[in-house]
Amino acid sequence: AQSVAQPEDQVNVAEGNPLTVKCTYSVSGNPYLFWYVQYPNRGLQFLLKYITGDNLVKGSYGFEAEFNKSQTSFHLKKPSALVSDSALYFCAVRDAGTDKLIFGTGTRLQVFP
Amino acid sequence: NAGVTQTPKFRVLKTGQSMTLLCAQDMNHEYMYWYRQDPGMGLRLIHYSVGEGTTAKGEVPDGYNVSRLKKQNFLLGLESAAPSQTSVYFCASSYPGAVTEAFFGQGTRLTVV
Repeated sequence: AQSVAQPEDQVNVAEGNPLTVKCTYSVSGNPYLFWYVQYPNRGLQFLLKYITGDNLVKGSYGFEAEFNKSQTSFHLKKPSALVSDSALYFCAVRDAGTDKLIFGTGTRLQVFP
Repeated sequence: NAGVTQTPKFRVLKTGQSMTLLCAQDMNHEYMYWYRQDPGMGLRLIHYSVGEGTTAKGEVPDGYNVSRLKKQNFLLGLESAAPSQTSVYFCASSYPGAVTEAFFGQGTRLTVV
């Protein structure tokens, strides 16, 4: 079965510093990977996705993600964190066989001024 | 653009009561999903639908039923609510295919006492 794991419950980073939110995946076949963000009391918003091609994917709000097939990882990154980036981040994988969209447990990002 | 709309936004039920959550989307999406979000567990898929008149079980379907009589609507029913069903429920929709991202509603906060 397809799955994703987010090993960190929380990531703390100072404003202006680079940030990384980790995600590893387990799939049979081609991986279709997504990152979403959830602000307090809101639904999830799509950030970016990896389908095929370039291993560095650029998305909304200055975020990017690096796909690494050998390490089965899809880490979310941003060169310079903002306080407004503080939110809950979810990694997800699409099961190409059933079309289910399976989410990780989420990582809370706290950016301190 | 309304996108994905969930009704109601908040609800308190007594144990044993029944209720229906309504999800409506105006993007002509084929696929629709119901998730529940619980602390530390991320989003878990309850049921999903890949087209009008079709439904399928997700990871945690017990205690829930769904119907997709119209393409734009996806209903989630609780026949006999239990405290374990206290959660935040999210509906999402997407175009067909593994490469498409999902769009989420704002969520329904349900408390069962």
